[in-house]
Amino acid sequence: ILNVEQSPQSLHVQEGDSTNFTCSFPSSNFYALHWYRWETAKSPEALFVMTLNGDEKKKGRISATLNTKEGYSYLYIKGSQPEDSATYLCATRGFQKLVFGTGTRLLVSP
Amino acid sequence: NAGVMQNPRHLVRRRGQEARLRCSPVKGHSHVYWYRQLPEEGLKFMVYLQKENIIDESGMPKERFSAEFPKEGPSILRIQQVVRGDSAAYFCASAQDSGNTIYFGEGSWLTVV
Repeated sequence: ILNVEQSPQSLHVQEGDSTNFTCSFPSSNFYALHWYRWETAKSPEALFVMTLNGDEKKKGRISATLNTKEGYSYLYIKGSQPEDSATYLCATRGFQKLVFGTGTRLLVSP
Repeated sequence: NAGVMQNPRHLVRRRGQEARLRCSPVKGHSHVYWYRQLPEEGLKFMVYLQKENIIDESGMPKERFSAEFPKEGPSILRIQQVVRGDSAAYFCASAQDSGNTIYFGEGSWLTVV
């Protein structure tokens, strides 16, 4: 069983602030790390799939890094906007299934 | 939303009734996952299916819950003799194969009264 931990649990920032979240996971039997953005009453939206140690991915103002040896990934948001307000989920894929963390709830105030 | 369709979106059942939740994956996807979100909790894995096969059901309760993904038609998550504790949002997701991005539906909200 994979235990995926995310921190902080919630975060409140002002528009324009840059922020980052952490996802920790067991480094054994690692296949991939997924990041999702989840707005209330909508489906989780895939942001990144990362597999290689040292991988960095970027999508607009959002980027992510991966360290598979120590078992963590960071998600960064540069210049947060109110529309970035959502829950950000990470999930690790073991042999078959995705195991999710409980997410970081981000609120960006104008 | 990449095209995973779930229905019904909202379902109310009395205790003891059966609930059937349907999931049509993205066209061409043969891998389907079901997750459950209980109030104030994250997404919990329930079952992983490929066409006509259950690959991993380690997250499924041993009794009353079953899932299928037939050769034709949607995947079905079936809950028999529902109890209040089954009230939750049930999310379906699909993928083209086990290594690719998994796309989620918008969920089915089950309320047991």
